[in-house]
Amino acid sequence: NAGVTQTPKFQVLKTGQSMTLQCAQDMNHEYMSWYRQDPGMGLRLIHYSVGAGITDQGEVPNGYNVSRSTTEDFPLRLLSAAPSQTSVYFCASRRGFGTDTQYFGPGTRLTVL
Amino acid sequence: GQSLEQPSEVTAVEGAIVQINCTYQTSGFYGLSWYQQHDGGAPTFLSYNGLDGLEETGRFSSFLSRSDSYGYLLLQELQMKDSASYFCAVKMDNQGGKLIFGQGTELSVKP
Repeated sequence: NAGVTQTPKFQVLKTGQSMTLQCAQDMNHEYMSWYRQDPGMGLRLIHYSVGAGITDQGEVPNGYNVSRSTTEDFPLRLLSAAPSQTSVYFCASRRGFGTDTQYFGPGTRLTVL
Repeated sequence: GQSLEQPSEVTAVEGAIVQINCTYQTSGFYGLSWYQQHDGGAPTFLSYNGLDGLEETGRFSSFLSRSDSYGYLLLQELQMKDSASYFCAVKMDNQGGKLIFGQGTELSVKP
């Protein structure tokens, strides 16, 4: 199993550009989430999903969109990038029952100029 | 809003025992998890408490008191490789899809 994969690893955007951060998992996990982590800070929940077709907002959803058309994929869209969105983005997944272990991807380091 | 409080830094020596505390005030609570993160890499799961009491996993133990809105992570026989950031996280809903993290505690283990 590859686990949770994220692409790209690094990205530089200009203010106002849009882009999609990709996240995929091959563990057949029901739950997937997106977090951002700023220097010296904890992980803040952006959006999460408890299954295909079901998404909900986390703590800091503004400026981001998500969709979950398949169990495997959970892309995060930045609609109009702003310097405040410079951060490291982590995707995570876990099974919907029997365990509370959440598995994280390696992260995408995004800089918005 | 949701609030999880952890000490920002803790220092200990190799072979010692260290306790990292977490207090929380959240609108929902279904359990407390702990994660470890090395140098900005991917966080990894350490432990989960859904009920009051102590959970032990090797050198790591975690404790929860729901009446006190308090938990801690206990690391024994500290090793240099334990130097990392440690995060507590609250499971906010019964399904477990919504997990809110504290700001993390940076643990430095000295020789």
